[in-house]
Amino acid sequence: RKEVEQDPGPFNVPEGATVAFNCTYSNSASQSFFWYRQDCRKEPKLLMSVYSSGNEDGRFTAQLNRASQYISLLIRDSKLSDSATYLCVVQGSQGNLIFGKGTKLSVKP
Amino acid sequence: DTGVSQDPRHKITKRGQNVTFRCDPISEHNRLYWYRQTLGQGPEFLTYFQNEAQLEKSRLLSDRFSAERPKGSFSTLEIQRTEQGDSAMYLCASSSIRVYTEAFFGQGTRLTVV
Repeated sequence: RKEVEQDPGPFNVPEGATVAFNCTYSNSASQSFFWYRQDCRKEPKLLMSVYSSGNEDGRFTAQLNRASQYISLLIRDSKLSDSATYLCVVQGSQGNLIFGKGTKLSVKP
Repeated sequence: DTGVSQDPRHKITKRGQNVTFRCDPISEHNRLYWYRQTLGQGPEFLTYFQNEAQLEKSRLLSDRFSAERPKGSFSTLEIQRTEQGDSAMYLCASSSIRVYTEAFFGQGTRLTVV
């Protein structure tokens, strides 16, 4: 089993749609969880951290299920500017950051 | 500019040559990470430092790859006897040691082995 696995993309959705990304991780000792966003030919940047109680930032909602080792990201009311690759990231107990392969999102007019 | 800096931005080398990349992290960051990314894939973990100590190295990393962070500040990644399969974007990131801390990436070094 890979350390961090994500839904295969691409996701092609119309503006205004709600889209959900899922991610699973293999190391139950993982400490911290994140979603990063990467635009084409750019470096990854933090979108949001994922806390055990779940958290929301505007149109974005992140959930963590430690028992199932599962992380999700929900984007409501998609905008054209949300088009990017979304990377699930897990931080191990030693501090290393492991990235998933990413899920590409294209939001169409 | 106080972000993560990588040098060079682009490198073209002939197969079999050695290359070295440099990363200057954000000055107060203790942790420094190296990743390799190819088209359509997420960043693949290579190695990670906390201060000058190399705490983890990917099992996928061959012995042609070596990284150093001699004074706990900048880091270098060296690839010996480059192969065409080494062509990729090499990304460096840095962070503090707090839990749930953001890692900031440099713009990367694009390596092309011909």
